[in-house]
Order: sequence, then structure tokens, then C-alpha cells
Amino acid sequence: KAGVTQTPRYLIKTRGQQVTLSCSPISGHRSVSWYQQTPGQGLQFLFEYFSETQRNKGNFPGRFSGRQFSNSRSEMNVSTLELGDSALYLCASRSGQKDTQYFGPGTRLTVL
Amino acid sequence: KNQVEQSPQSLIILEGKNCTLQCNYTVSPFSNLRWYKQDTGRGPVSLTIMTFSENTKSNGRYTATLDADTKQSSLHITASQLSDSASYICVVSETGGSYIPTFGRGTSLIVHP
Repeated sequence: KAGVTQTPRYLIKTRGQQVTLSCSPISGHRSVSWYQQTPGQGLQFLFEYFSETQRNKGNFPGRFSGRQFSNSRSEMNVSTLELGDSALYLCASRSGQKDTQYFGPGTRLTVL
Repeated sequence: KNQVEQSPQSLIILEGKNCTLQCNYTVSPFSNLRWYKQDTGRGPVSLTIMTFSENTKSNGRYTATLDADTKQSSLHITASQLSDSASYICVVSETGGSYIPTFGRGTSLIVHP
């Protein structure tokens, strides 16, 4: 079974731009979660989607948004990029809420 | 505010030795506690998942313990190998419909030959 895939793997943007990251979960997994990882803050939860509905949301500004499609693939969008948004963005999928979560390799976003 | 504290921040041991990593949390109401291993440049990999009623969970050379009364967990690594060099992250999720996870900052483990 293929693992969680994320595209692109690396991205460089400038302040004020917007960016869209993509995540394809493991086949059959309906839950997709997004996380931000930085050296200063560690891993932080952004949001979780299940069957196209946002189920949980972390403490991030409204510039961070996401959506999930009927095939469970998910996208995350960050608008009006700031330098502090530079981070590794990780996506993870699982079957149910209490099941093992499988992470993708992440997208490394650099904001200049 | 929910918090997860891990100690030590970093640890260096010799190959073949055992080690124990600590995790203290204040997350409430408690749903489950997970330990992850994250190699440099990769996404985290799940090692163990424990709910309120579980005291011990093993995965090969990794054994996690949970004391829900004191809100403490530990991850014991037996007979360490060079491939155990990684960051170990403790994650505690709250229940009540949200299951929002709170992450520890991780323990960086280096295993030397």
C-alpha cells in the first residue's frame, strides 16, 4: 500500500504571496490532518478533515485554511505569507480517530 | 492550558545501552498518548498508542508506560542501535469530541558506536 504523499516537497515563496500544499492519504483513510513544524515551536496541529468536513482546528490565524475532496485528498492554503510561516508542513492520515496516524514526508516551505 | 513536557531535551548513549525518555502532561480530559520517532528530514512514525486504561505497550525494543494518575509516561529503549538516533516525540490528545493533539518538543537521541 502506498504511503502518504505530499507535493511539492520544497517550495520557496516571498512575503505576501499565497501557497497551496497537497496531500494524498493512504488509500481507504478518510481522516487527514495537517501540522506545522518549526525549530522554535516544534510540531503544532493545524486542522483535521474527515469526509470533506473540518473536524478540528488548531490555534492558527485565518490565513491558514484547508479542504478535503471526495477522494480524501486534501489541500492546505496559506494566504499573505509571512516570514514566520517558514516551516515543514506535515500531513497525516488515519482510518479512524483512535487509529495509528501515518505521516507524509512533509513540504518544506521557505518564505523570503 | 494543555502542555506536554519532555525530558531530557537531548541524550547521547553508546550503542547497546538502554535509555528512558520522559513525558509529563497536563492535557485534560485525556484521550490517548502516543510516542513517535522522527528521523531527520522525515515525517514522524508512530511507535505506540496508549489509552487511559493501558499501563504498558511494547513495540519491539520500544516499551512505553503510562501513569494516568500522575500524568506521566516514559519510553524505554532496550539495546540501542545506531538507527535509533532520532527525535522522539510525545503527543497527548484530549477527548470530548475534539481529539486535538498537544505535542511535546521532543527528545533528541544520539546513539554512538
